Amino acid sequence: QKEVEQDPGPLSVPEGAIVSLNCTYSNSAFQYFMWYRQYSRKGPELLMYTYSSGNKEDGRFTAQVDKSSKYISLFIRDSQPSDSATYLCAMSDSQGGSQGNLIFGKGTKLSVKP
Amino acid sequence: NAGVTQTPKFRVLKTGQSMTLLCAQDMNHEYMYWYRQDPGMGLRLIHYSVGEGTTAKGEVPDGYNVSRLKKQNFLLGLESAAPSQTSVYFCASSYPPVGGTDTQYFGPGTRLTVL
Repeated sequence: QKEVEQDPGPLSVPEGAIVSLNCTYSNSAFQYFMWYRQYSRKGPELLMYTYSSGNKEDGRFTAQVDKSSKYISLFIRDSQPSDSATYLCAMSDSQGGSQGNLIFGKGTKLSVKP
Repeated sequence: NAGVTQTPKFRVLKTGQSMTLLCAQDMNHEYMYWYRQDPGMGLRLIHYSVGEGTTAKGEVPDGYNVSRLKKQNFLLGLESAAPSQTSVYFCASSYPPVGGTDTQYFGPGTRLTVL
């Protein structure tokens, strides 16, 4: 079993829809959870960062972490064509800094149609 | 600030040729990383460095070497390129706070094709 599982999609939605992107993980030591957005032929860029459980909201984006279920989500409200990208979840434990790496999901490709 | 830059952006090699990819960051980050990204495989860590003069192996280090002679630069070398090394290579850097985690900032990528 991979440490981080993410449905690759593709996911296609109409403009204005609410989008839900998800990852599951197996390592209960993970405490830091991130979502990266990657536009076509570009490098990933950090979108949201959450520590431990709970919700975090930033504009149209909400990140949720449920550590009891080992499940994280990214919600996009009022989705726009400019949100079309691949979304990668990433996570690490408290030693992530000293160990020097994050564990990434494979990414979900999202397309928002006008 | 330019952030993380990568040179070159594109390269085509023949099997057996060698090359070096250069990553530079101007954010004074301690940690630097090299990943490869392949369809269906996601981002896989090749090598990383937690400071000037240090390097460590990641998930897929075979066939690659790295050097971190200066804090701002991280070089990835392919001594004898193979078609299996056709990929998009990303460099990243981070400055993890004490007790925190490494939020990584990525470069634009290098597209490498090995014929």
